[in-house]
This record gives sequence, structure tokens and C-alpha cells, in this order.
Amino acid sequence: DAKTTQPPSMDCAEGRAANLPCNHSTISGNEYVYWYRQIHSQGPQYIIHGLKNNETNEMASLIITEDRKSSTLILPHATLRDTAVYYCIALYTGTASKLTFGTGTRLQVTL
Amino acid sequence: SAVISQKPSRDICQRGTSLTIQCQVDSQVTMMFWYRQQPGQSLTLIATANQGSEATYESGFVIDKFPISRPNLTFSTLTVSNMSPEDSSIYLCSVNSGGQETQYFGPGTRLLVL
Repeated sequence: DAKTTQPPSMDCAEGRAANLPCNHSTISGNEYVYWYRQIHSQGPQYIIHGLKNNETNEMASLIITEDRKSSTLILPHATLRDTAVYYCIALYTGTASKLTFGTGTRLQVTL
Repeated sequence: SAVISQKPSRDICQRGTSLTIQCQVDSQVTMMFWYRQQPGQSLTLIATANQGSEATYESGFVIDKFPISRPNLTFSTLTVSNMSPEDSSIYLCSVNSGGQETQYFGPGTRLLVL
């Protein structure tokens, strides 16, 4: 699976959009981009995933660049409860779902 | 998505003892996974548990230290054997659900070894 690179930390004001970048320049055509978050040592929570097209669900939007070398997770209206570590993972389907967690981005949402 | 529970939620154990962690899912799943998260670190996959076959361990993890059972499609156990303080971690199980290999995680078991 391709390596991903994320900034170690970010801050966001409550009510504003949080844009979390992820670089995956070596991603292959069969690798999905998955996003999880972990709130204060709870079990990681699945957020969203995509292959080529932009995706949106009730939690977030995922914007993938046309060359697929990077992506951005967008939380449209961040709240204090969105404070967490966010993990971007490139996953090649068919490898028994071996999620490889990097160090992630610690998002701090402030008043 | 699957609903996953783990028991115990936390425990404090003496070195040299063993602890068995249970993972229960509310639906039948093919693959279950066990992860470890050491203090201040990210998650590391220990092993993959398929029903009816031996678990597959990742590099650095061995069956004698972390024996796993998978008796049916909704349940698995992970045993941490002959514990030392270095085994103090959060242990998490996860399952594939919803197609496309999306994994969902349990709440974790917080283990402190004294």
C-alpha cells in the first residue's frame, strides 16, 4: 500500500470548515483513499473513502485530485467534538484490508 | 456498519499473567483483525483472524505471545500471554463490513501491566 503523508497538527475555529490534506504521491490505480479518526483513544471511526471521484456523506467530503496524488478531507462545520487524530490511509483492495496507520493529523477545534 | 463490543473495557494485570480479550460482532463477518496501540503511538496490526483457519500474524507478533481464537463468524478472542509492562496498550478488534473492505473498530481494551 502507498505511503501517505499528513501534517502532524492543525487548528480550526469552531463553525469553520476544517480542511485536512493528505499526500499519497505513489498511490496506484487500485488503491482507495480511506479516512478514519480517533477521538481520545477510542476505537478509530470510519469517515469516508474514495477511489477517483469526490465523495460526500453525512460526516465529511473527500476531494481527490485528478492525478490522485493528494486528497483533502473537509469537515464543513467543525465542532469541538471533531477534535481528534485523523488518519489518511491508502488501501489496495484485495490485500485482506491491512490498514496501515501512520501518525495522522491531530486536529484541534477551538472556540 | 457492524456494532462491535469488547470485554473487558480495561484491566490492570500483574506481570507474568495472561489476559484474554473478547470481541463480539452483531453480524456475521468474514475477517476480524486485532490491533495494538501503545501509549502515544499509532495502531499496529497484530493479526488477521479468519473463521476455520489459523490466524495470520504480522511481523513482530507470534502465536505463543498472542494466541487468537475464532470459533465462529461473530466472535474472536485475543490472549496476551506472560505479560510484561511493555504490553500495556490499547487492544482493538475490527471487522470488515459494508463491502469494499471498509473496517469498523471496537471500543478497545485498555490494558495496564504492573
